[in-house]
Amino acid sequence: AQSVTQLGSHVSVSEGALVLLRCNYSSSVPPYLFWYVQYPNQGLQLLLKYTSAATLVKGINGFEAEFKKSETSFHLTKPSAHMSDAAEYFCAVSDGNRSRGGSYIPTFGRGTSLIVHP
Amino acid sequence: EAGVAQSPRYKIIEKRQSVAFWCNPISGHATLYWYQQILGQGPKLLIQFQNNGVVDDSQLPKDRFSAERLKGVDSTLKIQPAKLEDSAVYLCASLRDHHNEQFFGPGTRLTVL
Repeated sequence: AQSVTQLGSHVSVSEGALVLLRCNYSSSVPPYLFWYVQYPNQGLQLLLKYTSAATLVKGINGFEAEFKKSETSFHLTKPSAHMSDAAEYFCAVSDGNRSRGGSYIPTFGRGTSLIVHP
Repeated sequence: EAGVAQSPRYKIIEKRQSVAFWCNPISGHATLYWYQQILGQGPKLLIQFQNNGVVDDSQLPKDRFSAERLKGVDSTLKIQPAKLEDSAVYLCASLRDHHNEQFFGPGTRLTVL
């Protein structure tokens, strides 16, 4: 079984400040981990993904995330927030377990709303 | 490449009415998903297709929801009859195989009055 916990439904930062969005996962096997961003009235867009190649993953828009197996975490960070980063962010996990069709089925967290103040 | 297309973008109906949503995935993507996203929550998988076959529909409320992907390309999701609790955004996604990357459409926002 796989699950995702995103700590904090809302995170508020000032423009230029560090962004830290927390994600902890549960998986019975080595996981695939993802961060998605959702802007108002839009679908989800992939920010970055971890697939065991490197523990520090760089994504689009200056975001990165670090996989820490001992902490079962995959927190998302950005050194300097921009107003355009205000959005909903979702962490997702897939433990690679195959459905009967053999395809990828991720589980999503509840999301964290990032608020950026001028 | 063109993204995942969905229509309509918005739909308002009264309870007990029927509604249908349409999705056209990215060309060549064999795997297609329908998700329900209730306000303030993450997407919840309703059904997954591989080509025109159902891979997983364990969370689809089959007494009122149905979905099909007859030719293995575009797909429709239907709700009949709708309930107030069906108010949500319905997202369609397709999978870039071998990369495990999902691409999402803009969603259909359903309001049931």
